Formats: sequence, structure tokens, C-alpha cells
Amino acid sequence: DQQVKQNSPSLSVQEGRISILNCDYTNSMFDYFLWYKKYPAEGPTFLISISSIKDKNEDGRFTVFLNKSAKHLSLHIVPSQPGDSAVYFCAASANNFNKFYFGSGTKLNVKP
Amino acid sequence: GAGVSQTPSNKVTEKGKYVELRCDPISGHTALYWYRQSLGQGPEFLIYFQGTGAADDSGLPNDRFFAVRPEGSVSTLKIQRTERGDSAVYLCASSLDNRGEAFFGQGTRLTVV
Repeated sequence: DQQVKQNSPSLSVQEGRISILNCDYTNSMFDYFLWYKKYPAEGPTFLISISSIKDKNEDGRFTVFLNKSAKHLSLHIVPSQPGDSAVYFCAASANNFNKFYFGSGTKLNVKP
Repeated sequence: GAGVSQTPSNKVTEKGKYVELRCDPISGHTALYWYRQSLGQGPEFLIYFQGTGAADDSGLPNDRFFAVRPEGSVSTLKIQRTERGDSAVYLCASSLDNRGEAFFGQGTRLTVV
């Protein structure tokens, strides 16, 4: 049973527009969330994180929003750039950082 | 570079054989993780080391899988009697402590034929 779900396998966005990637989770004990970006034939690279004590964290063009009541988080990329084209994974952990549960990923394509 | 290094990058083995996958973490990182990623899925947790000890091995699928980190640095994931279902990309990650972001290697693609 997957505890972290990314229901959109792919997303296509025009360069300069906003990309919104969504993630839902089922375990109410999750208290730390991360987004990773993955290019083909490379390992995932850390993008941005958020603790459950916050509802928003911003880093340059990337903002993560957390809605604990809905068990939902989203990653906003503004403005989107062709180099952002990659697979994006959300991940969550509970009470410790021993293990992270990953979603199945969303492939973002930013068209020039 | 000084990133997480995994060897080999690709491994093809016959069903029933034994394989070892190696991970060199970033120097000074005490936390080390192994994940497995199957096609179309996200990484799936296997095992976590803090220093030399396996602090959490709850993700290992069965007793054919074993991992060691004898000196608190390099780690080896060992798979006995490989099965075709073991085919996946095996990812290693390390972090400075166990709080927060982990840095991933490029993975070892294991194919069992």
C-alpha cells in the first residue's frame, strides 16, 4: 500500500509558465517532506524540503506548499525553464529520518 | 567529484548467482541508505546505517538481501540466489547526519537473466 502518491505521471508546461506538481500522502505521522529531481541515468538530487510545522517553504523559483489537513503537498516552479524537465519525486518521513517513502514520480516536460 | 559513488554502474547476472553492489558515500557522512527503484516506481527503502550499524533494515525484502558497512564508510549490498524480480536500479545515498536531505549516487542497474 503506497503511502505517498503522485497521481500525475506526466506534466507538460510552456517555458515561462508555472509548473505545479502534486503529492498526496496517507500517513498522518509524516512530519518531514522533500522533493527530489531526477535526470535520466542519474541519481535523484535534492531540491527542497518542508517540515510539518510550516505550510510553505521557498527557495528561488521553487516553492513547496503543505496542507496537513488535506495530507497534500505541492511543488511550484515559477518561471519554468527547459532545464527543469526531469522526473520529480516527493518523499516523506515520520518522526525520524531513517527512511523516506517516495511517490512514483511526475515527469515534467517544459517546452521552449 | 566528491559525490556518492556506486560501482558497478551496470551488472548483468544469471538467476541464482550472488552479487555485491558497492557504495562509497560522501566523506564524513555518517548516515547511509540503500534504496531500490523498479521501472516506473519511486525509490523503495531497503536499509539505513548510522555509522557501522544497521539502524533500520526493515525494508530488506527477504533474507537473500544483506548489507554491511564495517568501517562506517563504504557499504556493500549483497544479494544471494538472485531472482529475475531483483532486477532494478539500486540506489545508495548518504547524509551528514540522519536529519534531512540525502545525496544519492547514480545507482547500479542490476539485471537478472
